[in-house]
Amino acid sequence: GIQVEQSPPDLILQEGANSTLRCNFSDSVNNLQWFHQNPWGQLINLFYIPSGTKQNGRLSATTVATERYSLLYISSSQTTDSGVYFCAVEGPYNNDMRFGAGTRLTVKP
Amino acid sequence: EAQVTQNPRYLITVTGKKLTVTCSQNMNHEYMSWYRQDPGLGLRQIYYSMNVEVTDKGDVPEGYKVSRKEKRNFPLILESPSPNQTSLYFCASSLTLHRNTEAFFGQGTRLTVV
Repeated sequence: GIQVEQSPPDLILQEGANSTLRCNFSDSVNNLQWFHQNPWGQLINLFYIPSGTKQNGRLSATTVATERYSLLYISSSQTTDSGVYFCAVEGPYNNDMRFGAGTRLTVKP
Repeated sequence: EAQVTQNPRYLITVTGKKLTVTCSQNMNHEYMSWYRQDPGLGLRQIYYSMNVEVTDKGDVPEGYKVSRKEKRNFPLILESPSPNQTSLYFCASSLTLHRNTEAFFGQGTRLTVV
């Protein structure tokens, strides 16, 4: 099945810093989404982005489907950005969304 | 508001006592699925449903049952829960599969089996 790798696994930032999270995947995808899992365990859908670039406030994402990667940019980070960020993809032969292992982000005040 | 609703959000139960976690979506989606999330193992699919009365096993179906009698509902049933089913559970839905459609996830159900 499709493999999803996220990097870095852990990231510690000072409030106000910018960061880039990466997601590599091993096959073509029908769907790619970025999620933020908050400390209460909720999965918050950030972007549905099988290709192209999207922006939402301080967050933006780019997926280059032909090169099989996606990037999530967080600018001017805030403490509320802390949590785990997941990339999930749906491959052409899967019946589910395959999640990466996540990037644990800690933003310090 | 488009959403996937799971209930309950938190549940503590005892080994062997049957329980049901409900999942409902209001988007007329065909595809629904259940995942469990465990430390170090990530999110793994338990069961999925392509449409009403069509269900199939995911990666970790043992100890679970599902049904899809109506399009909007996809309950997860644990006939005889065991401590190794202590986990964080998510229900998800999308319009269909393999057609570039966005997946929506419920708020999660944190289950503890003692």
